[in-house]
Amino acid sequence: DAGVIQSPRHEVTEMGQEVTLRCKPISGHNSLFWYRQTMMRGLELLIYFNNNVPIDDSGMPEDRFSAKMPNASFSTLKIQPSEPRDSAVYFCASSLTQGRRQPQHFGDGTRLSIL
Amino acid sequence: GQNIDQPTEMTATEGAIVQINCTYQTSGFNGLFWYQQHAGEAPTFLSYNVLDGLEEKGRFSSFLSRSKGYSYLLLKELQMKDSASYLCAVRENEAGTALIFGKGTTLSVSS
Repeated sequence: DAGVIQSPRHEVTEMGQEVTLRCKPISGHNSLFWYRQTMMRGLELLIYFNNNVPIDDSGMPEDRFSAKMPNASFSTLKIQPSEPRDSAVYFCASSLTQGRRQPQHFGDGTRLSIL
Repeated sequence: GQNIDQPTEMTATEGAIVQINCTYQTSGFNGLFWYQQHAGEAPTFLSYNVLDGLEEKGRFSSFLSRSKGYSYLLLKELQMKDSASYLCAVRENEAGTALIFGKGTTLSVSS
């Protein structure tokens, strides 16, 4: 079975540009999570969705960040305008909502560098 | 507030046993997860505990004490491929809600 698929794997762009990260969750999973990982702060939750509805976006740093989930098989995380401090690895993860043993399954991440 | 503490780094030799500790303070508790993350890769699920006690899965075991806010991951018969970062994560609420991650413990296994 295909796992969580993220694109692009790497993105290098200049500050001020718009960046769009994409995620396809595992088929049948109804929870989707966006995390950001840096050396300093570790893995931090940005936002998560249940059944395509945003539940908690308190981790989104500021208005420059936005996320959407238009359907059960696709989500985007957008940064506009991007800044050098946004450089990090962005992970998408998905899980089932039912069953407390259900772990989150992570995609391979997008390594973002803002120059 | 929320706080999950793990040692930053640990070293061990092949064939040895290592224990990675995790302490947590969260507003709720509905399970503790351990993940393994090799450099440059995604975290992968290792174990889950929600009741006190030991869960064993091959060379890896995980222990939980809810009253102490404490867990450990035990790795036996260490192999070079076990060199990775090990992340402790707590879920405060019901299934389908977010995890709070510790910063991870980087384990280096030498021959």
